Amino acid sequence: GENVGLHLPTLSVQEGDNSIINCAYSNSASDYFIWYKQESGKGPQFIIDIRSNMDKRQGQRVTVLLNKTVKHLSLQIAATQPGDSAVYFCAENTALSGSEKLVFGKGTKLTVNP
Amino acid sequence: DAGITQSPRHKVTETGTPVTLRCHQTENHRYMYWYRQDPGHGLRLIHYSYGVKDTDKGEVSDGYSVSRSKTEDFLLTLESATSSQTSVYFCAISHNPPRYNEQFFGPGTRLTVL
Repeated sequence: GENVGLHLPTLSVQEGDNSIINCAYSNSASDYFIWYKQESGKGPQFIIDIRSNMDKRQGQRVTVLLNKTVKHLSLQIAATQPGDSAVYFCAENTALSGSEKLVFGKGTKLTVNP
Repeated sequence: DAGITQSPRHKVTETGTPVTLRCHQTENHRYMYWYRQDPGHGLRLIHYSYGVKDTDKGEVSDGYSVSRSKTEDFLLTLESATSSQTSVYFCAISHNPPRYNEQFFGPGTRLTVL
């Protein structure tokens, strides 16, 4: 079935650098996308979302880019800090068994080196 | 964790025993979800509820049942636990359907089936 995937399972960056986490999705009918951050031992935490009628959305130190042509989603984190170390998931709203549900990617582990 | 609690937070049980996990919310959100999280699979939807006594299956519902007798509580039951159900279970809530806004997650329950 269609699902959300990831380009890289791990990403290591230096503190202060910008981070880019990528996500590929395969359902062209998906119209809503979310990025979550999950720290060790905790539940996923909402970071930012974007709808399919937008190409870009900015939050505090984060930007999400959506390229519907190639079905690609990315999360950019500016001036990455040690507190950004976590696993990041993308999720898409899609139809499963006739109902709309969020489908999650497997995650990218971001490590920020001091 | 957006007014979401899960109990118990950790549980060890034996194969064949029944197990019930509880999710409690104080946000008065209509939608509630149960996910399981396993290495290599990310978050997968087990069951969800779109109102009191209104529930539906997710992608990995076999071996699980749910009940929602009041808005604030969503129970997940493993009728006869198996080792393959060893996992971390997350409850999530949302005010609107998946396509309209994000889901907020609880802290998780780590279940080990021996």
